[in-house]
Amino acid sequence: AQSVTQPDIHITVSEGASLELRCNYSYGATPYLFWYVQSPGQGLQLLLKYFSGDTLVQGIKGFEAEFKRSQSSFNLRKPSVHWSDAAEYFCAESTLGGGSNYKLTFGKGTLLTVNP
Amino acid sequence: GAVVSQHPSRVICKSGTSVKIECRSLDFQATTMFWYRQFPKQSLMLMATSNEGSKATYEQGVEKDKFLINHASLTLSTLTVTSAHPEDSSFYICSANQGRYEQYFGPGTRLTVT
Repeated sequence: AQSVTQPDIHITVSEGASLELRCNYSYGATPYLFWYVQSPGQGLQLLLKYFSGDTLVQGIKGFEAEFKRSQSSFNLRKPSVHWSDAAEYFCAESTLGGGSNYKLTFGKGTLLTVNP
Repeated sequence: GAVVSQHPSRVICKSGTSVKIECRSLDFQATTMFWYRQFPKQSLMLMATSNEGSKATYEQGVEKDKFLINHASLTLSTLTVTSAHPEDSSFYICSANQGRYEQYFGPGTRLTVT
């Protein structure tokens, strides 16, 4: 079965430090990959997505992610973290579900804490 | 663009009653909407996929008769939790497709059953 793995449950960084959140996917030669962010008690906001083409994708809020087929990875990065980036981050892959609908398979999430 | 709303944001109901949650795509038409459930400190669990004008497709283990889904128009899907019990208390999130592969999420509904 398809799966998305986020190895880090909780990461703490200092404000201004760089950030990398890891994600590995297991399905498909041509994956459709996403990173979402969720603040407490809120829905999910799409940060960025990868469908094809350039393997380094830029997203909102200064985030970027790099698709590496050889490693089945789609890691999220940010050069300098801001206190407002503290949130839960979910990696997801779009996979074919029942019928002809594509559904999202989510990783378990990584909680980011930012120290002042 | 791609804004999805949910109503209500919070609801408290008594055990045995039913509660309806609405999900609307505000600036686009969504042929497919999804309903998720999220427990504290956990990821999202897909409950069902609904296509406009047809029956919803439920994930394994989700009770169809308990979680009624209606997708009557291209901008509205509803989830009704019937005969709610305290174990149904959770955070329910809907999403809508824009394009084939990506989903945009609503802000969620916190359901508490007393």
